[in-house]
Amino acid sequence: DVKVTQSSRYLVKRTGEKVFLECVQDMDHENMFWYRQDPGLGLRLIYFSYDVKMKEKGDIPEGYSVSREKKERFSLILESASTNQTSMYLCASSLDGDGNTIYFGEGSWLTVV
Amino acid sequence: DAKTTQPNSMESNEEEPVHLPCNHSTISGTDYIHWYRQLPSQGPEYVIHGLTSNVNNRMASLAIAEDRKSSTLILHRATLRDAAVYYCILRDYHNAGNMLTFGGGTRLMVKP
Repeated sequence: DVKVTQSSRYLVKRTGEKVFLECVQDMDHENMFWYRQDPGLGLRLIYFSYDVKMKEKGDIPEGYSVSREKKERFSLILESASTNQTSMYLCASSLDGDGNTIYFGEGSWLTVV
Repeated sequence: DAKTTQPNSMESNEEEPVHLPCNHSTISGTDYIHWYRQLPSQGPEYVIHGLTSNVNNRMASLAIAEDRKSSTLILHRATLRDAAVYYCILRDYHNAGNMLTFGGGTRLMVKP
């Protein structure tokens, strides 16, 4: 089975802190994604990457950056956390040609105080 | 990705079949129809996908209309663990890295 692992399940950070959310997938997938999910707003794409060192902005990239130095790892960075970034963050990956099925991690609940 | 339309919520009794509908009238020829579900406090989970023919797997069945403008996810015997939000989405086969857009989905409630 494909496994997408997010490093932290629950985090509490202070306003202005730099926050790293790490994601690792174990199936050699080319594509990786970061979403946030908020009540009433569904899943919104922040960034995605289709190869090492490549990244594309999603719908809501402001306030976030990403890093993909290795194929299996995709990091989401909040340079200066703000309270409106309190949310559940979901990492996902997909393999080209697999019907483009997306595999999600368990989610990271971030609270910024 | 083309847009899909689903009912906001549905109810079912335990151990009865459930048919979850999805309309996708603007589907293109290269779009796969995917279904995911999200249990409370978890990430979305892949359920099933198809292109033109009906599909079966251990979790569910997918019935696709002949004109592909609608589809139905079938849970043959609902259990309490099937209570979740079910998302129907379209994925372009030729563009694996494109943005995946989830709509509001259908919240399935299962009564004992």
